[in-house]
Amino acid sequence: DTAVSQTPKYLVTQMGNDKSIKCEQNLGHDTMYWYKQDSKKFLKIMFSYNNKELIINETVPNRFSPKSPDKAHLNLHINSLELGDSAVYFCASSQQPQAGKNEQYFGPGTRLTVT
Amino acid sequence: EDQVTQSPEALRLQEGESSSLNCSYTVSGLRGLFWYRQDPGKGPEFLFTLYSAGEEKEKERLKATLTKKESFLHITAPKPEDSATYLCAVQARGNNRLAFGKGNQVVVIP
Repeated sequence: DTAVSQTPKYLVTQMGNDKSIKCEQNLGHDTMYWYKQDSKKFLKIMFSYNNKELIINETVPNRFSPKSPDKAHLNLHINSLELGDSAVYFCASSQQPQAGKNEQYFGPGTRLTVT
Repeated sequence: EDQVTQSPEALRLQEGESSSLNCSYTVSGLRGLFWYRQDPGKGPEFLFTLYSAGEEKEKERLKATLTKKESFLHITAPKPEDSATYLCAVQARGNNRLAFGKGNQVVVIP
């Protein structure tokens, strides 16, 4: 029974296309995140939602738009894909980061390759 | 800005050869320091949270310690299955984001 799941696991697409990645958590957590891990394995936060409300929005091109239909789901839509968007995207969730319970549980990742 | 520096970047160990990984951090008021393990092609797996200087936590062959400037992850008598990248992250007070280091890549040779 997977705690944090993402689909798809692999995504290969051409420049200029629009694509979405979906994430679901069954841990009952209030907060969800999107991270980008580049080719050098550096993990950098992009967005965070707490109970469907956007609370972290790092300096990310506005081609990236997160959406949280409910607190168990966080999707990432990317418009006009560019070569530099190629990376592994991880979804994560945590219970109550503002109360110090910020152990984040990560999904398996989505490897995006833009050609 | 919160900063996390991990060293060494890469480490090769013989099975049974104990060693330590270092995570130096700069943060304006530490709320928590986190250690994760990441296997190739997988998401980071949570290991430990440390909250204050002097705190220690253990899990099997791993022991994490914390001072006011750095954390160590000690690997005692490692086995090949301990091969992974170990990630350190910090959370500042009043801030929900984790700032990650670039990781320590550990290979344990049988």
